Amino acid sequence: AQSVTQPDIHITVSEGASLELRCNYSYGATPYLFWYVQSPGQGLQLLLKYFSGDTLVQGIKGFEAEFKRSQSSFNLRKPSVHWSDAAEYFCAVAPGTGANNLFFGTGTRLTVIP
Amino acid sequence: GAGVSQSPSNKVTEKGKDVELRCDPISGHTALYWYRQRLGQGLEFLIYFQGNSAPDKSGLPSDRFSAERTGESVSTLTIQRTQQEDSAVYLCASSLIPNYEQYFGPGTRLTVT
Repeated sequence: AQSVTQPDIHITVSEGASLELRCNYSYGATPYLFWYVQSPGQGLQLLLKYFSGDTLVQGIKGFEAEFKRSQSSFNLRKPSVHWSDAAEYFCAVAPGTGANNLFFGTGTRLTVIP
Repeated sequence: GAGVSQSPSNKVTEKGKDVELRCDPISGHTALYWYRQRLGQGLEFLIYFQGNSAPDKSGLPSDRFSAERTGESVSTLTIQRTQQEDSAVYLCASSLIPNYEQYFGPGTRLTVT
């Protein structure tokens, strides 16, 4: 079945530490890939996207993500986390064919400790 | 420029009542989407509008849910005879081109008592 998997429900990191949030998908073709962030009580904000080309993409707020076709993954990274990064992070996939919407993972909640 | 706006931001209603939620997409965005986000869960697709084409209603959970869009502007999502399981945040998004990045509104938090 087609799906988007974020295996980590909750991650806690210390401020200044590095961060990696995992995302795996199961769609046949190379989809369009996205990471969104949702702060408490807020809507979703687009962090970055991958359509084609360079598999390492840069986004806002110092985030980057790497598309690995062989692993069907699109992991989000940040070298040094700030307290303001505490939020819920969603990976999303647009399959590109046969569907008009985004498919979302269940999210990873990030807690940042001082 | 202005982003996607939604109203109301919060709605509390009694079970069995009808509710109407409104979405104003970004000007010029031809594609409009509605999603539902239940507490602690990801987003569920509900319905998609693209220009004057027939909407994709494949995500609507029951016939109590319906949505309309006037041209490429405002959309309304209507839930009839609300049930407690309809309690969720309803998010609207728009995009310039289908399947490209979607821009989300702040959502409407619906509570059915």
